Amino acid sequence: QVQLVQSGTEVKVPGASVKVSCKTSGYSFTSYFLTWVRQAPGQGLEWMGWISGYNGNTDYEQKFRGRVTLTMDTSTSTAYMELTNLRSDDTAVYYCARAGPSFNPNWFAPWGQGTQVTVSS
Amino acid sequence: SYVLTQPPSVSVAPGNTATITCGGNNIGSNSVHWYQQKPGQAPVLVIYYDRDRPSGIPDRFSGSKSGDTATLTIRWVEAGDEADYYCQVRDGDSGVFGTGTKVTVL
Repeated sequence: QVQLVQSGTEVKVPGASVKVSCKTSGYSFTSYFLTWVRQAPGQGLEWMGWISGYNGNTDYEQKFRGRVTLTMDTSTSTAYMELTNLRSDDTAVYYCARAGPSFNPNWFAPWGQGTQVTVSS
Repeated sequence: SYVLTQPPSVSVAPGNTATITCGGNNIGSNSVHWYQQKPGQAPVLVIYYDRDRPSGIPDRFSGSKSGDTATLTIRWVEAGDEADYYCQVRDGDSGVFGTGTKVTVL
């Protein structure tokens, strides 16, 4: 079955960077986009961007451009999200999700378990 | 940027029907997808392409769209349906989520 397993909890100081991984299995990694979504405490879902597993092309939400970088490693079917210059309002749970259908991101399923990132001095 | 508006909360008695709306400008030209998120858990896709159900989702869940509003309907509501629900569309090269609706089962 399709599975997405994310890296563990991160605690960072303001101004630092964080890199979250999302290891996938059970499907053809290069046939789908992989999207990243975050959720601040008590808030809704916020789309951050997606990356093509086929050629690494990316699209980012405008508010994150310049601070977020999505990358991937096809040899391990793993995607990465790096967020730089962290602020306290970046404290959130960060999710990865497969974006389907193949080669054409629309819906998101399944999702990883989420990674808690806390930014605090 | 594209905005999808949902009611903040919906309350429903067990066995009744819950209706959750998602409004957006010209939403008729976008496919709408719906997610259920229970406390402390990752979201789960419950409806995609306006009205299709992924395998494993009960047929009590249905989706529809008319004009500038998409609707998620949950029939014969159960206690286990208590959750937050989000609509989502693809808008060009971006994904957009609705503001979210908390469904409370009375």
